Amino acid sequence: DAGVTQSPTHLIKTRGQQVTLRCSPKSGHDTVSWYQQALGQGPQFIFQYYEEEERQRGNFPDRFSGHQFPNYSSELNVNALLLGDSALYLCASKRGTDYGYTFGSGTRLTVV
Amino acid sequence: DQQVKQNSPSLSVQEGRISILNCDYTNSMFDYFLWYKKYPAEGPTFLISISSIKDKNEDGRFTVFLNKSAKHLSLHIVPSQPGDSAVYFCAASLFNTNAGKSTFGDGTTLTVKP
Repeated sequence: DAGVTQSPTHLIKTRGQQVTLRCSPKSGHDTVSWYQQALGQGPQFIFQYYEEEERQRGNFPDRFSGHQFPNYSSELNVNALLLGDSALYLCASKRGTDYGYTFGSGTRLTVV
Repeated sequence: DQQVKQNSPSLSVQEGRISILNCDYTNSMFDYFLWYKKYPAEGPTFLISISSIKDKNEDGRFTVFLNKSAKHLSLHIVPSQPGDSAVYFCAASLFNTNAGKSTFGDGTTLTVKP
């Protein structure tokens, strides 16, 4: 049973560019959240999607946007990349009634 | 202002002994708490959770204790095994629904020595 899969695993972008990260949730899961994790810190909540709508959002600027598709997969888009956007981006999924999330291994984004 | 704090960046324990990982929070509105374990090059894995209406939850070798008055929770691992060596994250939520989000601490690296 495949868990949460994220692509790509690593990515290098130039400042000012745009990036799209992709996530396929675990089978049976309908809720997807995205987190940003800087080195040595815990994951920071970006936003959550359920029924193709953004349900909650953390303290991230509008440059961060997302989407959830009918098959529950999700994308995270970041526009006008800054050097400070360099981090590990984690996708996590769960069923609505579950307690904890299942996390993917993340996409390591480096902005140069 | 960090709302969830894990003040010990690392902890080293002998195999077979008890591991105690601590977590403090500042937002009294948090009503659901979770612990995650993370191995290198993997995403965090959900371990155990506790609702604010309880003060203890047990799952095999793992027990989480919640002290609401002190805004403190702890994870006990008994007995500790070398495979438990990982980074442990404490997380807190305002509510456990589809709309819930979790605030994470910065993690504690546990090393269990054989």
